[in-house]
Amino acid sequence: SQQGEEDPQALSIQEGENATMNCSYKTSINNLQWYRQNSGRGLVHLILIRSNEREKHSGRLRVTLDTSKKSSSLLITASRAADTASYFCAMVPSNTGKLIFGQGTTLQVKP
Amino acid sequence: DAGVIQSPRHEVTEMGQEVTLRCKPISGHDYLFWYRQTMMRGLELLIYFNNNVPIDDSGMPEDRFSAKMPNASFSTLKIQPSEPRDSAVYFCASSFSGRLAPLHFGNGTRLTVT
Repeated sequence: SQQGEEDPQALSIQEGENATMNCSYKTSINNLQWYRQNSGRGLVHLILIRSNEREKHSGRLRVTLDTSKKSSSLLITASRAADTASYFCAMVPSNTGKLIFGQGTTLQVKP
Repeated sequence: DAGVIQSPRHEVTEMGQEVTLRCKPISGHDYLFWYRQTMMRGLELLIYFNNNVPIDDSGMPEDRFSAKMPNASFSTLKIQPSEPRDSAVYFCASSFSGRLAPLHFGNGTRLTVT
């Protein structure tokens, strides 16, 4: 079974709007990572947040982590058409040591 | 930096044939991972290596699947014999210094078994 579950599965917004994607997980983790995948391409690492961090920023990206709720969110501000892609959270559960991916959120940004 | 290089990009084969997927990780990276992606099951970790040694192959679906890493710059994933349910996109990824480090993915091999 998947360690990470993402919500929503699909999101469609207008350029300039903000996009928020959520990720929930089941067991304790060491860190949580977010990746982007453009159609027909490999995944690209966006940002990593450690279990002792609550919030992290990188450009237009903002990631939060709530270990008590076992959840994380990725916020993309001022979205652009080029942000259209699938976004995945990934984590290493403390009991397995293997990077496990969620099912992803498909984001469409309309120009 | 050339990134992770996978070949071929597309492979179409008939059921029962042997398939070999190839990967060249980023120079200096000491971890290499093979993932499979399907619509139904998402991204599944098949196997990973550390310093060319297989560490965990518990994700390999069957004995028909095997992976090798003869040196730090090359890995193969072999399916013999192939079956239609093996149709998927297979990704190779590498990282430096640890299972917790960010992964660098290749662009994948899309395998179709008819």
